[in-house]
Amino acid sequence: GIQVEQSPPDLILQEGANSTLRCNFSDSVNNLQWFHQNPWGQLINLFYIPSGTKQNGRLSATTVATERYSLLYISSSQTTDSGVYFCAVPSGGGADGLTFGKGTHLIIQP
Amino acid sequence: EAGVAQSPRYKIIEKRQSVAFWCNPISGHATLYWYQQILGQGPKLLIQFQNNGVVDDSQLPKDRFSAERLKGVDSTLKIQPAKLEDSAVYLCASSLSGGGYTFGSGTRLTVV
Repeated sequence: GIQVEQSPPDLILQEGANSTLRCNFSDSVNNLQWFHQNPWGQLINLFYIPSGTKQNGRLSATTVATERYSLLYISSSQTTDSGVYFCAVPSGGGADGLTFGKGTHLIIQP
Repeated sequence: EAGVAQSPRYKIIEKRQSVAFWCNPISGHATLYWYQQILGQGPKLLIQFQNNGVVDDSQLPKDRFSAERLKGVDSTLKIQPAKLEDSAVYLCASSLSGGGYTFGSGTRLTVV
């Protein structure tokens, strides 16, 4: 099946810093989603981004489908950005189920 | 709009007992998913429904897990009998066909 690799696995930053999270995937996909899992376990959909660039406030994402990677940018980090960031792509076989990466664990220190 | 509702929030059972989880998706979302998330890992798909039909259950351990979606709305996931390795968070999600997911808050299961 499709493989999803995220880097870095862990990231500790000071409040106000910027960060870039990367997601590589092993096969062609027709969509990609980024999620944030907060410290209470809730998974929030950040972006549905099959290709191109999208922005939502301090967050933006870029997917280069032809090169099989996506980047999530977080600018001016806040402590509420802490948590685990997952990217996920369709598992294949015609269904919409997703294969998730192992996530990037982000800690923003005040 | 209301989110994806799940219950219970927490459940502790002994091994070999049975347990059931309930999910109510966002109104109008035809696709419903159950995922299992073991501590420190990303969620893993167990089963996907389109309306009340199963689209993909290839990763569902069918000897002990079962799921149904009555009338294409609510869904229940059952484990019988539970094993220690079933301890995880069980997440329900729904989506419009081909669209982004919305996840519920999950049910944290501990098997002792």
